[in-house]
Amino acid sequence: DTAVSQTPKYLVTQMGNDKSIKCEQNLGHDTMYWYKQDSKKFLKIMFSYNNKELIINETVPNRFSPKSPDKAHLNLHINSLELGDSAVYFCASSQGQGTQPQHFGDGTRLSIL
Amino acid sequence: AQSVTQLDSQVPVFEEAPVELRCNYSSSVSVYLFWYVQYPNQGLQLLLKYLSGSTLVKGINGFEAEFNKSQTSFHLRKPSVHISDTAEYFCAGRDTGRRALTFGSGTRLQVQP
Repeated sequence: DTAVSQTPKYLVTQMGNDKSIKCEQNLGHDTMYWYKQDSKKFLKIMFSYNNKELIINETVPNRFSPKSPDKAHLNLHINSLELGDSAVYFCASSQGQGTQPQHFGDGTRLSIL
Repeated sequence: AQSVTQLDSQVPVFEEAPVELRCNYSSSVSVYLFWYVQYPNQGLQLLLKYLSGSTLVKGINGFEAEFNKSQTSFHLRKPSVHISDTAEYFCAGRDTGRRALTFGSGTRLQVQP
């Protein structure tokens, strides 16, 4: 029944490793997003895809690479993890990019040792 | 460029008291405004949204907000809070010409018995 689901919920790993976070939505939405929430709770958009096409690519290190195999999935791969990557990453989806609200997953808490 | 400012990082209030969480925005164009709530270890849930029309919008859980164009504000209010309203509240906005939401820094509502 979960509308936007992310896996894993927690991810603890060493500096320098490569990791992926997966996101799936079953709402039939055509637009998906990745946000980063830092330790002060500040939320910032990272990427957005509409119908598998990248439409938002904010100032994010190129170690971060999103991939959207289809409209219902948007995965985030991170290479060479750094301490500063520790945060909670949220996936969201919406129908269009206009007036419709975004629906959020429960987040993935990434901790870099 | 649009910005969203939440003036209070924390708001402590006693149960059954009224509360107002402040949000101001800056935008040179028409704007859509949203309030989201984040409970501990969860994603964001939409409380309410303003797109156009009536400036007083009602949301879930007894919350309401008023869009004030002259004061560029979109404050969130509830006449009587419950312990269960303890959470982080985010104001967000989107210029009609942009694709991404801009979030405020959040306000922690702490309801005390």
